[in-house]
Amino acid sequence: KAGVTQTPRYLIKTRGQQVTLSCSPISGHRSVSWYQQTPGQGLQFLFEYFSETQRNKGNFPGRFSGRQFSNSRSEMNVSTLELGDSALYLCASSFSTGPETQYFGPGTRLLVL
Amino acid sequence: AQSVTQLGSHVSVSEGALVLLRCNYSSSVPPYLFWYVQYPNQGLQLLLKYTSAATLVKGINGFEAEFKKSETSFHLTKPSAHMSDAAEYFCAVIPPGGTSYGKLTFGQGTILTVHP
Repeated sequence: KAGVTQTPRYLIKTRGQQVTLSCSPISGHRSVSWYQQTPGQGLQFLFEYFSETQRNKGNFPGRFSGRQFSNSRSEMNVSTLELGDSALYLCASSFSTGPETQYFGPGTRLLVL
Repeated sequence: AQSVTQLGSHVSVSEGALVLLRCNYSSSVPPYLFWYVQYPNQGLQLLLKYTSAATLVKGINGFEAEFKKSETSFHLTKPSAHMSDAAEYFCAVIPPGGTSYGKLTFGQGTILTVHP
């Protein structure tokens, strides 16, 4: 099976712009979670989607949003980008709703100038 | 809120030496515990997980971890380090109860350096 894929892998944006990141989970996986990784704050949970519904949300401002499609693919959007949004954004998928292993993609590295 | 603490942001060992990476969780009820590894410019790869079955959990690449409820710990060990083990290691937790299964809470990470 193909692993979790994320596109694009690298992105450069300027302050005030918005960005959309995409994640395709492992085939058959219905849960997708997003994380932000920065040197200062480490790995922080953004949100989780299951069957097109947001089940959990982390402590991030409303500029961060996401959605999941019927084929389980997910996107996250960040509006009005700030310098502090520069980070590695990781997507993870798991099969269902239990405490299952999350399989991570390679991430999208976002640089905000 | 559930949290996890990794003692030591950097650990350095010689090739062939024992690897010990420490992780403690804060919870009166045992959570689900995971160890992940991240190589440079890559995502996270699962090493092993504890889900209330055996307290000694064996993972990939020769790693294992022991769940100790009395010490609220889940330390990661490997008897003999290899140069390829150099990476950053993360301990993570999911609280029991079913409401946050998709939300991993991570420790701050431990960078493992292996010297020849």
